[in-house]
Amino acid sequence: KNEVEQSPQNLTAQEGEFITINCSYSVGISALHWLQQHPGGGIVSLFMLSSGKKKHGRLIATINIQEKHSSLHITASHPRDSAVYICAVLNLSKGTAGGTSYGKLTFGQGTILTVHP
Amino acid sequence: DSGVTQTPKHLITATGQRVTLRCSPRSGDLSVYWYQQSLDQGLQFLIHYYNGEERAKGNILERFSAQQFPDLHSELNLSSLELGDSALYFCASSAVGVSTDTQYFGPGTRLTVL
Repeated sequence: KNEVEQSPQNLTAQEGEFITINCSYSVGISALHWLQQHPGGGIVSLFMLSSGKKKHGRLIATINIQEKHSSLHITASHPRDSAVYICAVLNLSKGTAGGTSYGKLTFGQGTILTVHP
Repeated sequence: DSGVTQTPKHLITATGQRVTLRCSPRSGDLSVYWYQQSLDQGLQFLIHYYNGEERAKGNILERFSAQQFPDLHSELNLSSLELGDSALYFCASSAVGVSTDTQYFGPGTRLTVL
């Protein structure tokens, strides 16, 4: 079982619909990231969450640390939202020289979103 | 534009060869991360450098190595290349490298091994 599971794997919507993408993880984390990967391949960081909820424009991200679950919502979806959305969790792990490393992201498999006009 | 640059954009080479991928972080960022994205494995963390020092290793093969130079740019060296090394290689940078940092991703280098 992967440490980070996303659902659904594929999502098709009509313009204007409300969209939810889910992410569940099985390890202790220090933060969770939502990333967007455009069809051309570029990756953009949308949110970094360690608790609660964040909103940016039409995007809302929530996290429930106790349930090890996060959701990404898109309100009033638009064709330009079509992309792959990737959840990634940040683990605190022992660094190469001992001590704590802050930088290890473990990724979900991504959700392919297609929004039709 | 994230401010992170990667060169080259595309690289086509043969099995057994060695290549070097280069990453320049955003101005002022001290941490550089390398990731590999392949069709079958998805995105995977390879290695993290902070201010010239290796901080953590992920699923990085022994044939791969990286370093971060005094000017903070980083290079990922891939040797004895195999067909399975064909992938998109991303680098990302962040201000320091703590859990509250946002990581800014470069455009990636697409490596094709023939």
